[in-house]
Parts: sequence; C-alpha cells; structure tokens
Amino acid sequence: DTEVTQTPKHLVMGMTNKKSLKCEQHMGHRAMYWYKQKAKKPPELMFVYSYEKLSINESVPSRFSPECPNSSLLNLHLHALQPEDSALYLCASSLGLAGGRNTGELFFGEGSRLTVL
Amino acid sequence: DAKTTQPNSMESNEEEPVHLPCNHSTISGTDYIHWYRQLPSQGPEYVIHGLTSNVNNRMASLAIAEDRKSSTLILHRATLRDAAVYYCILRDLRNNDMRFGAGTRLTVKP
Repeated sequence: DTEVTQTPKHLVMGMTNKKSLKCEQHMGHRAMYWYKQKAKKPPELMFVYSYEKLSINESVPSRFSPECPNSSLLNLHLHALQPEDSALYLCASSLGLAGGRNTGELFFGEGSRLTVL
Repeated sequence: DAKTTQPNSMESNEEEPVHLPCNHSTISGTDYIHWYRQLPSQGPEYVIHGLTSNVNNRMASLAIAEDRKSSTLILHRATLRDAAVYYCILRDLRNNDMRFGAGTRLTVKP
C-alpha cells in the first residue's frame, strides 16, 4: 500500500462552520505534512508532524488546527475560515527516519479542494 | 533553507529529450537534490533524487554538476503525459522540512 488517502475530496463551508480534513497512510511513515496550494502556485508548507509531534508550524493562523492522533492519521481542523483560505490542501507522508533506508521521498494524496463562502 | 532557481516554463516536442535545469548555488553538504512533478489536478509525485553522482530510474535521469551547484533532470523521450510542473527541491534528511520553489511548467507538443 503506497497510498495517502485524503477525505473529503471537495468541501464547501461557510465562514462560521467548523469542519475537518482527514489524511491517512498505512506505509509506516513517521512524518506527515500539510500543504496549502493556490491555483497556479507551488504548494506551501503549513505543518509537519514527526513521530506524532508537531515539528514545523509555518506561522499558520490559529483558525487552522492540526492534529495527529496516531502515526497513520493526520487531521486539519478548520474554524472561522475566510474566503481567501479557499485552496487545495495537500497531505503527504515520508519515512521520517534517519539512516540509509530514508530517501526522503514524500508521498502525496490527491488533495482536498476547499471552498469558503 | 537553501533555494533553487528554475526557468518558469519550457516547451518540448513529443518523443524528444527534455533537459530541465535547476540552479542551487547555496547547496550544503547534507542536502539531497530531489525532483517532483505535479500533473494537472493531482498531488505532486516523486521523480528522482541524488546526492553527488548521476542517477537513473525508470522515469528520468538526474545529472548533477561536479560542484553540486546545479543539476539537470532529463526526460529521455517526452510524452504528452509528461506535461506537468517540475519542482527541484533541496532536502536535508536530518529534518523533515520540505519546501517547494516555483518550479518549471513543461508543455509537450504533439
């Protein structure tokens, strides 16, 4: 299994809603990532979890709240978003371990396309 | 983070080789050179990576300059399915930091 699964594929929400994006992998990876991608732009790093601990937070507004309940799951909780937060949200995972086996390759999901009205 | 510089766009004809350049003059000794591509409406996918020596896999070849300050991704015979944005990224495996630059948009003409 070399897949990263993201749900939902599409999400439309109002500015007062609370919703969550979910990401799952069963490759035994210990690093998981959230990226935000606007149209015609490269992915922007938001958060990185290493061994279920938040290791990188790129000064993301608190209306985005990541959670890593276990090594296979990564959530992004959304609350009081703005229309400019509409984007494709990509999840990725990597082995995250030091040593010869680690090529550093990231495996990406297909993304969750978020529209904030 | 060390940065990379790539041309904004390139064009190729189908079934011809494509050489995608990347400059990374501030590369450090612990940085690996990674290439990813993103097809329309998909997440990025890994293409190839290397440290010092040239590398080949089923998708592409990676040629790394002797001083490691530049590299070139080589697609030996471009197909229409290779049309994508190609990202060159420096990856320090001591941490899990992984940031994308602007990339090169490759157009393949039939």
